[in-house]
Amino acid sequence: GQQVMQIPQYQHVQEGEDFTTYCNSSTTLSNIQWYKQRPGGHPVFLIQLVKSGEVKKQKRLTFQFGEAKKNSSLHITATQTTDVGTYFCAQGYSDKLIFGTGTRLQVFP
Amino acid sequence: DTAVSQTPKYLVTQMGNDKSIKCEQNLGHDTMYWYKQDSKKFLKIMFSYNNKELIINETVPNRFSPKSPDKAHLNLHINSLELGDSAVYFCASSKGVLSTEAFFGQGTRLTVV
Repeated sequence: GQQVMQIPQYQHVQEGEDFTTYCNSSTTLSNIQWYKQRPGGHPVFLIQLVKSGEVKKQKRLTFQFGEAKKNSSLHITATQTTDVGTYFCAQGYSDKLIFGTGTRLQVFP
Repeated sequence: DTAVSQTPKYLVTQMGNDKSIKCEQNLGHDTMYWYKQDSKKFLKIMFSYNNKELIINETVPNRFSPKSPDKAHLNLHINSLELGDSAVYFCASSKGVLSTEAFFGQGTRLTVV
């Protein structure tokens, strides 16, 4: 079946450090979505990327879609303790929304 | 008003029992999903339901069955519960299947003892 791998699986950073998670697909993607799940919470939509090479920013978060539309990244500049959670990429595939394996971010004050 | 609501939030039950989890969305969406999140936080799709068409993930045991009385509801029924069914189950909905954001319910933590 379709697989979407994310790396790293876990990341611990000191507050103020940057963080990046990468999402890789075995096939070309029509679009990619990113979600954040706080501890004990539910996934919440952050953004969708559609175009090859697209870059979008939300405050300290930068999202990128690869030129070949097979990978994507989420970069957080100067992490804060409120950034703690698991970040998932997701892709539509065969009438299903498939989630990546997720990257769990821990931020130490 | 909560966009996607699930009940119950917590469910503890014994092996072999049958249970249901309810999901309702008030967003007017055509597509609803059920996901299972295990202890490693992997989100695995179980079902998607779009315009009365059910798409089943082939890895889901047939003890799990979705039931949709109308477009706003997609309930999950589980027969003969097993220990390995313990997980958090999320319901979600979206306008379309592939290219629009999904809105998630709060989740149901199922514990089978």
